[in-house]
Amino acid sequence: AQSVTQPDIHITVSEGASLELRCNYSYGATPYLFWYVQSPGQGLQLLLKYFSGDTLVQGIKGFEAEFKRSQSSFNLRKPSVHWSDAAEYFCAVVLTGTASKLTFGTGTRLQVTL
Amino acid sequence: KAGVTQTPRYLIKTRGQQVTLSCSPISGHRSVSWYQQTPGQGLQFLFEYFSETQRNKGNFPGRFSGRQFSNSRSEMNVSTLELGDSALYLCASSSTGTGVTEAFFGQGTRLTVV
Repeated sequence: AQSVTQPDIHITVSEGASLELRCNYSYGATPYLFWYVQSPGQGLQLLLKYFSGDTLVQGIKGFEAEFKRSQSSFNLRKPSVHWSDAAEYFCAVVLTGTASKLTFGTGTRLQVTL
Repeated sequence: KAGVTQTPRYLIKTRGQQVTLSCSPISGHRSVSWYQQTPGQGLQFLFEYFSETQRNKGNFPGRFSGRQFSNSRSEMNVSTLELGDSALYLCASSSTGTGVTEAFFGQGTRLTVV
């Protein structure tokens, strides 16, 4: 079945430490890939997207993600986490031909300790 | 440029009632999508409207309906409310015509059914 998987439900990192959030997708073709962040009680903010081309994409707030076709992955990374990065992170895909229909992973809640 | 505006932010309704939620997209965006977010089911796609026509639909019962006006504003209606309809309803707008572009989300409407 087609799906988006975020294996980690909850991650805790210390401020200043590096971060990697995992995302795997299961589709026949390469989808369009996104990472969104959601603070409590708020909507979703787009961090970055991958449509084609360079497999390492840069986003806002110092985040980057790498698309690896062989692993069907699109992992999100940040070299040094700030306390304000604590939030829930969602990986999402859009399949070709479905226009704006986003399919989301279950999310990873990031906790940052000082 | 103003973002996506959803009204109201919070709603409390009684089981069996109906409710209408409103979404004003970013100026110039013609696509509006709706999503339901619950702790148990995560983020699920409801439907998408483009130029006043429903273009995509998720797997929700007919009690969930929507429409889009000529100014691209959209409304979502839920009839005969059930306790399980309690959720954060998110609206997203994008400029996409036939291609895929990023979606920008509003703050959401928190619906509580009692």
